[in-house]
Amino acid sequence: QVTLRESGPALVKPTETLTLTCTFSGFSLTTSGVCITWIRQPPGKALEWLARIDWDDEKYYSASLKTRLTISKDTSKNQVVLTMTNMDPVDTATYYCARQIAIPAAPPLEWGQGTLVTVSS
Amino acid sequence: EIVLTQSPGTLSLAPGERATLSCRASQTVSISWLAWYQQKPGQAPRLLIYGASSRATGIPDRFSVSGSGTDFTLTISRLEPEDFAVYFCQQFGISPPPTFGQGTKVEIK
Repeated sequence: QVTLRESGPALVKPTETLTLTCTFSGFSLTTSGVCITWIRQPPGKALEWLARIDWDDEKYYSASLKTRLTISKDTSKNQVVLTMTNMDPVDTATYYCARQIAIPAAPPLEWGQGTLVTVSS
Repeated sequence: EIVLTQSPGTLSLAPGERATLSCRASQTVSISWLAWYQQKPGQAPRLLIYGASSRATGIPDRFSVSGSGTDFTLTISRLEPEDFAVYFCQQFGISPPPTFGQGTKVEIK
């Protein structure tokens, strides 16, 4: 059974760096074609794709957030970490990680429950 | 980036009725790279269907997709009580990067 769980601080201050961890089970990020994607959703708003890391360590970022995001993986711990620098109140959102298959191509299949991050002083 | 525009914003229908949701892209997208999600309050989005006909596990066949080029449609043939939710379309290719539509809410009339 595939499960994903996001963890990190519920509250961060403006200008701080956010570090989120996606801990997963039921699959390996060393398997060819497997990816982890991060997506966020401000309260009451649409979904926004943030970043993706692939089994071969290829990384992709949202063009508008590229300078602020870093994604990495620790396959021994079954974890993917997303950091976002210079947080702002507009970054208040629920952050999701999801498993995706790139070969053959498929969208994010299984999602974590999400973690709400509020940016406020 | 590809902008996806969903319409209508809200669809008010009764159980048993047919729902037709639209997703229009700012440039050509292959239906192979299009996905639809359902989201209920307080829950993560759930993948429904992607490509021309690939349903996620457990998704009934009353959900179907059609379209090509820039215009795509998700059809729910007969609404069940559990179908009232918000629906998002997504183009999930990596180049250009993935984007989502703003969502259509299907509410009980």
